[in-house]
Amino acid sequence: SAVISQKPSRDICQRGTSLTIQCQVDSQVTMMFWYRQQPGQSLTLIATANQGSEATYESGFVIDKFPISRPNLTFSTLTVSNMSPEDSSIYLCGMGGSGNTIYFGEGSWLTVV
Amino acid sequence: QKEVEQNSGPLSVPEGAIASLNCTYSDRGSQSFFWYRQYSGKSPELIMFIYSNGDKEDGRFTAQLNKASQYVSLLIRDSQPSDSATYLCAVSGYSTLTFGKGTMLLVSP
Repeated sequence: SAVISQKPSRDICQRGTSLTIQCQVDSQVTMMFWYRQQPGQSLTLIATANQGSEATYESGFVIDKFPISRPNLTFSTLTVSNMSPEDSSIYLCGMGGSGNTIYFGEGSWLTVV
Repeated sequence: QKEVEQNSGPLSVPEGAIASLNCTYSDRGSQSFFWYRQYSGKSPELIMFIYSNGDKEDGRFTAQLNKASQYVSLLIRDSQPSDSATYLCAVSGYSTLTFGKGTMLLVSP
């Protein structure tokens, strides 16, 4: 099965700053997903990132706050901009597999202070 | 608004028992159904998926789907303490997954 690596795995960030999370997959994939899991909550889809096109954002998420890049079939980044404590969350990169399956990386645990 | 509902638990079962985890969903057009396991401090791990009505078995795990009742369940036979985790139900329409909040399972030795 594919290996999905995320960086950073954990970080503590200052309010008002921005952080970019990187996601690297060891095989080519068409669809990559970015999810957020706030404390005690389930996973919420932020956006779907397909190579060669603009990311598709879910309701409640905007490109200015969560810009996404997808430069090739193995890599994507998610930036969390102008962070506030409400952005403290686990951010998960997902790789689309066959039959609508999604496999997740280890996640990036962000705390905003 | 697609919704996936799960009892938050915790569901407590003794070692060796059958654990039954349940999930209901609102969108009748849903086509694919998934169970993820999430250990504390870890990311979700896919353990089962099912597309057709009926049962699907994989080792100690059985997924059951009833589309008419919009209900999907996961049975874990011979539960082990290592099965203690939060189990997330996820439902798919065409490409993305909608997740429930998960059920915490505690298996006591």
